[in-house]
Amino acid sequence: NAGVTQTPKFRVLKTGQSMTLLCAQDMNHEYMYWYRQDPGMGLRLIHYSVGEGTTAKGEVPDGYNVSRLKKQNFLLGLESAAPSQTSVYFCASSPPGKAIAYNEQFFGPGTRLTVL
Amino acid sequence: GQSLEQPSEVTAVEGAIVQINCTYQTSGFYGLSWYQQHDGGAPTFLSYNALDGLEETGRFSSFLSRSDSYGYLLLQELQMKDSASYFCAVRVPRNEKLTFGTGTRLTIIP
Repeated sequence: NAGVTQTPKFRVLKTGQSMTLLCAQDMNHEYMYWYRQDPGMGLRLIHYSVGEGTTAKGEVPDGYNVSRLKKQNFLLGLESAAPSQTSVYFCASSPPGKAIAYNEQFFGPGTRLTVL
Repeated sequence: GQSLEQPSEVTAVEGAIVQINCTYQTSGFYGLSWYQQHDGGAPTFLSYNALDGLEETGRFSSFLSRSDSYGYLLLQELQMKDSASYFCAVRVPRNEKLTFGTGTRLTIIP
């Protein structure tokens, strides 16, 4: 199993450009999450999904959109990138069904995004 | 909402024991988790406490006291590879989300 993979690993954008980050998991997990991580601020939840075709807002959703058309994929879109969106983006997934599952998330390797 | 407090930095000596504390304030509570993250890497799950008490996994142990809204991660027989950031996280009832603390950077010195 590859686990959770993210594409791309690095990206540099100019202000106003758009892009899509792809997250894929091969563990048949129902729940998927997008976080951003900035120095000294831990992990902040952007959006999440509890199943195919469903999405919900997290702590910092402004400026981002997501889609979960297939169970194994969770896409994060930036419609008009801003320098404030320079960050490391992590995708994670977890299976439902047991209490511990909600607390054990499996993370991808991250995407390092710079917006100039 | 939820808020979690952790010390920002901790330094410890190789071979020793270190404790990383986490205090939380939540409107409900459904478990405390710990994650490890090496520089440039992804967070990885370490442990989960649903009930009060100590959970042990090899050199790592995690403790929870619901009455004190407090938990800690205990690392024994410290190795240089334990140098990393450690995050506590909580989940509230009927919620599929975790809220993470800002993390503790642990530095191991020879």
